[in-house]
Amino acid sequence: SAVISQKPSRDICQRGTSLTIQCQVDSQVTMMFWYRQQPGQSLTLIATANQGSEATYESGFVIDKFPISRPNLTFSTLTVSNMSPEDSSIYLCSGTGGSGELFFGEGSRLTVL
Amino acid sequence: RKEVEQDPGPFNVPEGATVAFNCTYSNSASQSFFWYRQDCRKEPKLLMSVYSSGNEDGRFTAQLNRASQYISLLIRDSKLSDSATYLCVAYTNAGKSTFGDGTTLTVKP
Repeated sequence: SAVISQKPSRDICQRGTSLTIQCQVDSQVTMMFWYRQQPGQSLTLIATANQGSEATYESGFVIDKFPISRPNLTFSTLTVSNMSPEDSSIYLCSGTGGSGELFFGEGSRLTVL
Repeated sequence: RKEVEQDPGPFNVPEGATVAFNCTYSNSASQSFFWYRQDCRKEPKLLMSVYSSGNEDGRFTAQLNRASQYISLLIRDSKLSDSATYLCVAYTNAGKSTFGDGTTLTVKP
């Protein structure tokens, strides 16, 4: 499977600021996704990052709060905007193989003070 | 009701034990199923796909029952290194993967 490099691996941020997380895949992938995993919980899909067009957001997530870019088939960014302590979480980007299996970046652990 | 439900455990077993995890899904449009393993503070990693005919990979056996919308994972001869959280995932052809909350396994010496 492809390898995803995700950064930053962790950050501590102040309330009201924004953070952009980057993911670089070592090969072209058709679909990329952004997930959130809050402490002690499973993964929740934030959005599907669409190449060259607006991302598709899941219920409860909006573009103003989580703008996503995907300029090509190997790169995507997620911005967490106007952060609050409730945004403290692990954010994971992923790509999919041919049969639906997912491979993940190492995650970005965000703490908002 | 969650789309994918798992017994959260925790399962605490001795080395060498056999342990089984169960998972049910509610979306009948789900086409593919997977088990992932997630170690503490790490990203999930694909353990195995799940097929209706059942599939085996070493000590691990996965089974799918579409009629009952039920998935299982069996681990034989448990090792200390099997300690992790195991995530059940249902995938639709629309490209959406839904994760269960995970089952935590601790294998003790």
